[in-house]
Amino acid sequence: EPEVTQTPSHQVTQMGQEVILRCVPISNHLYFYWYRQILGQKVEFLVSFYNNEISEKSEIFDDQFSVERPDGSNFTLKIRSTKLEDSAMYFCASKVGLLYEQYFGPGTRLTVT
Amino acid sequence: AQSVTQLDSQVPVFEEAPVELRCNYSSSVSVYLFWYVQYPNQGLQLLLKYLSGSTLVKGINGFEAEFNKSQTSFHLRKPSVHISDTAEYFCAVSDLGTGFQKLVFGTGTRLLVSP
Repeated sequence: EPEVTQTPSHQVTQMGQEVILRCVPISNHLYFYWYRQILGQKVEFLVSFYNNEISEKSEIFDDQFSVERPDGSNFTLKIRSTKLEDSAMYFCASKVGLLYEQYFGPGTRLTVT
Repeated sequence: AQSVTQLDSQVPVFEEAPVELRCNYSSSVSVYLFWYVQYPNQGLQLLLKYLSGSTLVKGINGFEAEFNKSQTSFHLRKPSVHISDTAEYFCAVSDLGTGFQKLVFGTGTRLLVSP
């Protein structure tokens, strides 16, 4: 069964450094999402992406964040200058169409020290 | 804007007992409803979804949920739980509108099944 994959599974970085989290959505999916889950808290929406542009973003998704689909298969989340409060599990999700459910990847645990 | 309330942060239950995990939502528009499960150190897996039609929805692993529009609820049930059902369960909604239907999650309910 096709699945969403994410790399790395765990990333440790120092405050102020840039990180890129990578996702490979399911191949025929057209809608892409990033969510995050701070330890012990609920899953929060960050951004949705369709037709090579951001369709919606949350208040969390400020100028330090960016997304890209560089080659038609990968979907990346970049954090330009990480803060301690960016430490969280980041989930990528994709879906094939508007009336379908989102499929989630296993997540990348980001630890900012 | 939508919101989801899962009143029970933790539900302890004995193996083979029935369980109900509660979910209430708030929205000014019609919504889709979902339950996701998260096993330790894993991602989110879809258990079941309500898009339209019958209000009783059956999902994987013997779970089912009932959509109650008047009570704005979507409670998850299982008649007999297994140890392997121990996990975090998240209720989520997305709107039916023209947006790209981001998911809004509740805070989750940890189901603890003991022998």
